Amino acid sequence: DAGVTQSPTHLIKTRGQQVTLRCSPISGHKSVSWYQQVLGQGPQFIFQYYEKEERGRGNFPDRFSARQFPNYSSELNVNALLLGDSALYLCASRNQVGYNEQFFGPGTRLTVL
Amino acid sequence: RKEVEQDPGPFNVPEGATVAFNCTYSNSASQSFFWYRQDCRKEPKLLMSVYSSGNEDGRFTAQLNRASQYISLLIRDSKLSDSATYLCVVNQAGTALIFGKGTTLSVSS
Repeated sequence: DAGVTQSPTHLIKTRGQQVTLRCSPISGHKSVSWYQQVLGQGPQFIFQYYEKEERGRGNFPDRFSARQFPNYSSELNVNALLLGDSALYLCASRNQVGYNEQFFGPGTRLTVL
Repeated sequence: RKEVEQDPGPFNVPEGATVAFNCTYSNSASQSFFWYRQDCRKEPKLLMSVYSSGNEDGRFTAQLNRASQYISLLIRDSKLSDSATYLCVVNQAGTALIFGKGTTLSVSS
């Protein structure tokens, strides 16, 4: 079975640009979460979606938005990029909202110049 | 106070050593607890869930003390392949995973 997949793997943008990151969850998983990991830190929660509805949001500005599609895949959008948005963006899936484990994709490494 | 705190290390140990990592969390309403392992420039991977009764998986033992809000991970007979960053993770409200900064382990021959 395929795990969580993310695209692209790497991305270079300049300040002020916009970026869209994509994630496909494990087959059968209906919940997708997004995390940002800057160098030297643990991942930080950005969003969770379940059945196409936002179920949680972390402490990130409105420049960050996301959505989930009927096939449970998800996109994370970041507008007006700042240098500080450079990070590894991780997508995680689980089969329901709750306290069960989340499984991570390989991430998208975003560099903002 | 940070929500999840870990000693960042690094812990440098020889092969065969026993090493213990500790973690504290601030929210007493936290419901589930995990240890994830992260290799350099890779995604975190679930190592094990942590239960109040304690649980063991081969050379790895995890313990949870809810009264002290304390989580531990013990690795016995360390292997070179155990070198990685170990992330202490707490689940709050069934939504977000809250990660510590991670503890770096380096096992040498």
